[in-house]
Amino acid sequence: SQELEQSPQSLIVQEGKNLTINCTSSKTLYGLYWYKQKYGEGLIFLMMLQKGGEEKSHEKITAKLDEKKQQSSLHITASQPSHAGIYLCGADLGSARQLTFGSGTQLTVLP
Amino acid sequence: NAGVTQTPKFRVLKTGQSMTLLCAQDMNHEYMYWYRQDPGMGLRLIHYSVGEGTTAKGEVPDGYNVSRLKKQNFLLGLESAAPSQTSVYFCASSSRETQYFGPGTRLLVL
Repeated sequence: SQELEQSPQSLIVQEGKNLTINCTSSKTLYGLYWYKQKYGEGLIFLMMLQKGGEEKSHEKITAKLDEKKQQSSLHITASQPSHAGIYLCGADLGSARQLTFGSGTQLTVLP
Repeated sequence: NAGVTQTPKFRVLKTGQSMTLLCAQDMNHEYMYWYRQDPGMGLRLIHYSVGEGTTAKGEVPDGYNVSRLKKQNFLLGLESAAPSQTSVYFCASSSRETQYFGPGTRLLVL
């Protein structure tokens, strides 16, 4: 969706390196959801952010929503091969629990 | 608690054939969704439902129909399949916190 831009499209990192994925909206975000997808499988919910400036962490993954609520970043510290997959951001743009998704970031972690 | 399940997992159709994809959820969610996922395009919403007996169009509804006769089930129909409908189809149901996704159905239309 052009309303939601996700970058980069793909990322290859060496195991142990840090990385960041960005999700930018052209509209105010009422909620921003991060999902992970492994090839051939469904989406697994990671985190949801709603408040400007909010930051959440789970294990080595941290997600932030900026103060203006139009951009979110997902940061992985000390990446591992288990982090590999497609990361998708989904945005609540104010339409009754409908989510608009970014095009995804394919993450490869080399051992 | 199975969450969201989808049937079938994989299907091959010839152009013009019809089929129905079944989605079931056991979380008592009111909201349910059908998406399609194509390379480089993320997920696009086809149709959704905010409760039993109600359906609404999403971003890409053409060529698809849906029904929500029971709260736990959401059916997606293709009346006359076209090669452009080759895709991976995901069903989801929603709580107040997030959407829960099924494992997907891979559809190939020849």
